[in-house]
Amino acid sequence: DAGVIQSPRHEVTEMGQEVTLRCKPISGHNSLFWYRQTMMRGLELLIYFNNNVPIDDSGMPEDRFSAKMPNASFSTLKIQPSEPRDSAVYFCASSPTGGFNTEAFFGQGTRLTVV
Amino acid sequence: QKEVEQNSGPLSVPEGAIASLNCTYSDRGSQSFFWYRQYSGKSPELIMFIYSNGDKEDGRFTAQLNKASQYVSLLIRDSQPSDSATYLCAVKGYGGATNKLIFGTGTLLAVQP
Repeated sequence: DAGVIQSPRHEVTEMGQEVTLRCKPISGHNSLFWYRQTMMRGLELLIYFNNNVPIDDSGMPEDRFSAKMPNASFSTLKIQPSEPRDSAVYFCASSPTGGFNTEAFFGQGTRLTVV
Repeated sequence: QKEVEQNSGPLSVPEGAIASLNCTYSDRGSQSFFWYRQYSGKSPELIMFIYSNGDKEDGRFTAQLNKASQYVSLLIRDSQPSDSATYLCAVKGYGGATNKLIFGTGTLLAVQP
């Protein structure tokens, strides 16, 4: 398996623009997580899905952020409008469901810079 | 109180020594505990997990869990310069949500040759 695939790897955008990050989880994994990592706040859980259904979005910073998972093989995280404080590395991770000992596998991340 | 707390470090140890990394968590209902390693500019990768009180050993790594104290640790024996990285503690089952996986901010380990 190719692992969790994220695109793009790097994104530079201007303040106010819409940004869409994409993720393809590992085939057969039922849980998908979106994290944001900064030096100040570490790795923060934004939202996670089980079987394509959003379970907990309490980590989504504000209404400018939205996430979808239209099918088991694809998810998006959208920021509209983007702001400089959104600059961070965004990770997608997936894991099998059905056990508390199942690990999450991470994608390579998308480094977002908002100028 | 943060959900998962770690000392940010850096923790500096000489090559060949034992590195001890610590983590505390706030939710007693948490079910399992993971240690990830993250090299600079890379994504986190799993080292090991533990869900029963006591010790669990895997090669040079030993995870220790004490649920009564809400404490989990990672020992790295015979530390190597290649072990220099940020070590992330993660807690699963936080707040009763079976698959919710919450991370600490990580401890930076520097192994000096």
